[in-house]
Amino acid sequence: GQNIDQPTEMTATEGAIVQINCTYQTSGFNGLFWYQQHAGEAPTFLSYNVLDGLEEKGRFSSFLSRSKGYSYLLLKELQMKDSASYLCAVRDSNYQLIWGAGTKLIIKP
Amino acid sequence: NAGVTQTPKFRVLKTGQSMTLLCAQDMNHEYMYWYRQDPGMGLRLIHYSVGEGTTAKGEVPDGYNVSRLKKQNFLLGLESAAPSQTSVYFCASNPGGIESGELFFGEGSRLTVL
Repeated sequence: GQNIDQPTEMTATEGAIVQINCTYQTSGFNGLFWYQQHAGEAPTFLSYNVLDGLEEKGRFSSFLSRSKGYSYLLLKELQMKDSASYLCAVRDSNYQLIWGAGTKLIIKP
Repeated sequence: NAGVTQTPKFRVLKTGQSMTLLCAQDMNHEYMYWYRQDPGMGLRLIHYSVGEGTTAKGEVPDGYNVSRLKKQNFLLGLESAAPSQTSVYFCASNPGGIESGELFFGEGSRLTVL
């Protein structure tokens, strides 16, 4: 079967750095996505990786290793507004998105 | 630019009642999707459409029907609601095509079936 694994919840301190991991086992691979979802709101797109390596976008970076079936989202200089759930999704060989359950990130002052 | 709009935002139904969720997008996107989101689970695809007049089943289609009569609208119907259909429903769209991955989501519709 197809599976996306992420930690359920993480806690970090304002101003610090946090890394949210995502491992996947899917039927084929055509890209990995990270979305941010604030409580009670819609998911919003953060990043897309299809090749191995690091993609940087401001305070957020996303890394992919296809051989290891592994990705992480790195958030720097954490702000209170970064408190949200972070969803990892993989596009499989049929170009369907398989979603992880999300990681709830709690930022403390 | 409204993006993706869902109506209604909240609804309470009794078991056996029917209802329709409306999704409208003003971005001229070809692809539209209906997902449900339940606690502790990833988003699950109910049905999707790759263009006007087309629909296809997703991962969890049972108990739902859809129609895409106009390119901008994607309707999700529940013919006979069940408590297991209590969930938050998200509509999403994207332009379509192999490299077009980013989904644009509506604000969600919270449905409770008693």
